[in-house]
Amino acid sequence: AQTVTQSQPEMSVQEAETVTLSCTYDTSENNYYLFWYKQPPSRQMILVIRQEAYKQQNATENRFSVNFQKAAKSFSLKISDSQLGDTAMYFCAFMRGAEEYGNKLVFGAGTILRVKS
Amino acid sequence: ETGVTQTPRHLVMGMTNKKSLKCEQHLGHNAMYWYKQSAKKPLELMFVYSLEERVENNSVPSRFSPECPNSSHLFLHLHTLQPEDSALYLCASSQGVASSYNEQFFGPGTRLTVL
Repeated sequence: AQTVTQSQPEMSVQEAETVTLSCTYDTSENNYYLFWYKQPPSRQMILVIRQEAYKQQNATENRFSVNFQKAAKSFSLKISDSQLGDTAMYFCAFMRGAEEYGNKLVFGAGTILRVKS
Repeated sequence: ETGVTQTPRHLVMGMTNKKSLKCEQHLGHNAMYWYKQSAKKPLELMFVYSLEERVENNSVPSRFSPECPNSSHLFLHLHTLQPEDSALYLCASSQGVASSYNEQFFGPGTRLTVL
């Protein structure tokens, strides 16, 4: 079974600074996807960034980037120039890539990030 | 309304009550999901529906009964719940489940408290 581990229950960062959230996962699959989701205090979860396992290049979305280390099964999220609106719970998630697995997400426990002014 | 909506946003019920959670998606998607988010456990997938047919039932107790009358609506019927069922119940939808990747869009959730 696939598992996702987020070892940092809570983190804080000063506004405008950079923070990195950690995630490791365990799988025997070679074809899969990894995600970071953000859940602000209003509770609507949104996708932040996605990484396909077959791509060596790390995904980037504006101030959000990942460090994907496939051999180490590590998938960290870097947030640059942190903003107050980045305060949220961040979930790392895994999905097997083959069709028969039905688009199912496996989530980590989450990291609460607080951005301080 | 846009995206995925859920009603009610908050629900308090006794262990002998029967209630239903409603989810509606306005994205033209064909697949819908129920997740449970409790304080001490990661998000857990409960049910998956694709084209109104249940394709996944993740060992969920029978006191939770899903219903998907059409591709836009998903219900979770609740009866004889336990206090440990208190959690945030999230609904999500995606274009489908039968291709290699379909992004899931989440609703705001229903905060359920069982007394």
